[in-house]
Amino acid sequence: DAGITQSPRHKVTETGTPVTLRCHQTENHRYMYWYRQDPGHGLRLIHYSYGVKDTDKGEVSDGYSVSRSKTEDFLLTLESATSSQTSVYFCAIRPETGRRETQYFGPGTRLLVL
Amino acid sequence: TQLLEQSPQFLSIQEGENLTVYCNSSSVFSSLQWYRQEPGEGPVLLVTVVTGGEVKKLKRLTFQFGDARKDSSLHITAAQPGDTGLYLCAGANTGKLIFGQGTTLQVKP
Repeated sequence: DAGITQSPRHKVTETGTPVTLRCHQTENHRYMYWYRQDPGHGLRLIHYSYGVKDTDKGEVSDGYSVSRSKTEDFLLTLESATSSQTSVYFCAIRPETGRRETQYFGPGTRLLVL
Repeated sequence: TQLLEQSPQFLSIQEGENLTVYCNSSSVFSSLQWYRQEPGEGPVLLVTVVTGGEVKKLKRLTFQFGDARKDSSLHITAAQPGDTGLYLCAGANTGKLIFGQGTTLQVKP
């Protein structure tokens, strides 16, 4: 257990509304990631963070923004949700020790945009 | 753009059978990881292979990294219903992970 929680676990929203997903970790890891998982695509990186207020874009960042004002929280915001953003969203952390590609994942947030 | 192609995408077998899942790319990766994911949960890391030609065993699971570090395979011997799940490979480069599409495995009793 890497001490990662995600909230909410399930959300239904309407097109055009803003949505914020939260990832919380308890072990002060510097690196945190947001992925989306869709059938036929595996997991794709949206944004990642390498410290408080230090973030960078991933492969599929359009339509998403992130913020990290505290080490333990990494927020993913959909400014104006679209149906194409219906997906399962996973947060991950990278431990401070061990191989740098090792990541541990949270339980996921299932988002439905109507 | 680096891509990882996993095959097959779906596999349904009887308990006791053997199976192999493949993960292929035209790109070289510094390491390759295999994850297993249960419905409603996040992926769980099974193994990381680093050296070309490396073979790692985890009970009935055997993982191999290709000599050129572009491909990998997962072989399960005598599959059990508890092996049912989604298997994902992920290639690492500069600390980021590129995931394959996943293989959904169903093992029927």
